[in-house]
Amino acid sequence: NAGVTQTPKFQVLKTGQSMTLQCAQDMNHNSMYWYRQDPGMGLRLIYYSASEGTTDKGEVPNGYNVSRLNKREFSLRLESAAPSQTSVYFCALARGLATNEKLFFGSGTQLSVL
Amino acid sequence: SQQGEEDPQALSIQEGENATMNCSYKTSINNLQWYRQNSGRGLVHLILIRSNEREKHSGRLRVTLDTSKKSSSLLITASRAADTASYFCATDWTGANSKLTFGKGITLSVRP
Repeated sequence: NAGVTQTPKFQVLKTGQSMTLQCAQDMNHNSMYWYRQDPGMGLRLIYYSASEGTTDKGEVPNGYNVSRLNKREFSLRLESAAPSQTSVYFCALARGLATNEKLFFGSGTQLSVL
Repeated sequence: SQQGEEDPQALSIQEGENATMNCSYKTSINNLQWYRQNSGRGLVHLILIRSNEREKHSGRLRVTLDTSKKSSSLLITASRAADTASYFCATDWTGANSKLTFGKGITLSVRP
């Protein structure tokens, strides 16, 4: 998954704790996405950013906030973690601003909320 | 839900055999994509087929699209143990501000 770096790779939180998942890219792509993957549910879009400074809600945004301060980085914040947010989180990129062309994925962050 | 649905949920074949996986969807699409995910890794894009295309090839992969039936199939020919992975279809459905939506995936096991 060269070009898309996610940190951390693993994290364990207690209910109510906060944390930020980081995603950085060196592919100069415009669009960035945060997905979560749960067993039997496939991937669901949390938030996306079509360009620097813009963000929009996806299918499951509740409990999350995002920040796209520059073209390279897109962070996902959990303000008060809940067990329902235990999941694997993936950051993804797309070249275009509005087209749904192919996505490039990071290697994921496995999050457990106890 | 606009999700595509893959079929079967799991598939086990012998090395050298062909693997066929199907995806059905509900609404009009701009394109349909297939991704592979190896255990513990991110998804990797395999192939994209647009709504005005019927068939595409990429190496050992062949994808078909039937918009009248709202379905697609992914054929992997001469499978190898390294093809063992989960496979997802993703649909780019027409509509304002639409984003790719993924199915739940197919687990393919290729026995050596």
